[in-house]
Amino acid sequence: AQKITQTQPGMFVQEKEAVTLDCTYDTSDPSYGLFWYKQPSSGEMIFLIYQGSYDQQNATEGRYSLNFQKARKSANLVISASQLGDSAMYFCAMREEAGNQFYFGTGTSLTVIP
Amino acid sequence: NAGVTQTPKFRILKIGQSMTLQCTQDMNHNYMYWYRQDPGMGLKLIYYSVGAGITDKGEVPNGYNVSRSTTEDFPLRLELAAPSQTSVYFCASRTTGQGLKGTQYFGPGTRLTVL
Repeated sequence: AQKITQTQPGMFVQEKEAVTLDCTYDTSDPSYGLFWYKQPSSGEMIFLIYQGSYDQQNATEGRYSLNFQKARKSANLVISASQLGDSAMYFCAMREEAGNQFYFGTGTSLTVIP
Repeated sequence: NAGVTQTPKFRILKIGQSMTLQCTQDMNHNYMYWYRQDPGMGLKLIYYSVGAGITDKGEVPNGYNVSRSTTEDFPLRLELAAPSQTSVYFCASRTTGQGLKGTQYFGPGTRLTVL
């Protein structure tokens, strides 16, 4: 079974609007971390935000927030006030405490429309 | 700090040739990883290392080898290049000091084409 599932291959959002990128995960480890990365067309991987499985509150980093629903095993990324520079691929990833590996989803391509 | 550096940035190989992708980090991270990213896909783990002298296979290790003689360096070796190894290769490192919160820091990637 896939550890990380991102079901939206491509998304479009109007500039200045908010957008939610979906991520569901599968693990039996009670302790795990969830990460979101941005990959612009230039190719580098940029860390955006982290959520721990025991964190009581949803993580926020500037315009990025994580809608963490533990019972549903979802960790959706919310980008508020979209900017043209937000156009990129976005990857959700997970690491279980019992392991050393990071598991990545297949990504969502976000295009911000002026 | 340079972070994670990778060389070369681009390379074209002929089928059957060999090459080494270099990866160096200057953050004194114990963990290092090699991934490949095929067009339009996510990252797949090839090999990883938890410290000098210790390496382990990831999801797609066939056709690759690694070594970790120092904390800083984690080279990836392709012995007999095949067209299926055409991909972008990323090296990453991670500290152990932040528990689960420790993210990976990525290098800029190496774009490899095998013809």
